[in-house]
Amino acid sequence: SQQGEEDPQALSIQEGENATMNCSYKTSINNLQWYRQNSGRGLVHLILIRSNEREKHSGRLRVTLDTSKKSSSLLITASRAADTASYFCATEINTGGFKTIFGAGTRLFVKA
Amino acid sequence: NAGVTQTPKFQVLKTGQSMTLQCAQDMNHEYMSWYRQDPGMGLRLIHYSVGAGITDQGEVPNGYNVSRSTTEDFPLRLLSAAPSQTSVYFCASRPGGRSNQPQHFGDGTRLSIL
Repeated sequence: SQQGEEDPQALSIQEGENATMNCSYKTSINNLQWYRQNSGRGLVHLILIRSNEREKHSGRLRVTLDTSKKSSSLLITASRAADTASYFCATEINTGGFKTIFGAGTRLFVKA
Repeated sequence: NAGVTQTPKFQVLKTGQSMTLQCAQDMNHEYMSWYRQDPGMGLRLIHYSVGAGITDQGEVPNGYNVSRSTTEDFPLRLLSAAPSQTSVYFCASRPGGRSNQPQHFGDGTRLSIL
């Protein structure tokens, strides 16, 4: 099974509401990253949080990391219809080199 | 800078055919990776490379070969295509070492095996 798993699989909210997505992982990590993917497009990096960080902000995005629980959350505040996309967490693990493993993603739909 | 360039964007193959998916980056990144994305499965790591001449297997390496003769290029080879390899393939790169920097992705190659 995959290293990172997102919850929920799908989320539908009204414009202006907050959206929270969660990610759990299994092994020790170097960092955790969140990416966004619009339908039919490639992935775009949103935010990276290092293993020794607990919270990070970027505009309307807030990411938390709890290494004791091996979990992370992505909060999008004041959502907009343009935030409709799939969101993926990815964990970078140390295998001698470093490799990045993705979860299955959360599909977010923001209704105008 | 072009970033990560993948070619072709679309490809249809017959079962048993071979082909190479090309990936090139112009950012002098040491690390490069190949992923496949299937509906509802997210991205799964096929192979990755931490530098020229060094490659390693990811989560789903069977049926795929890679090589890394230069820093810029990381081609993915399907030696005998199977319908189960129908997917969208993404190449990604990032600086090497403990850079704690995100990956840069190409736009993907949509591959159908008939």
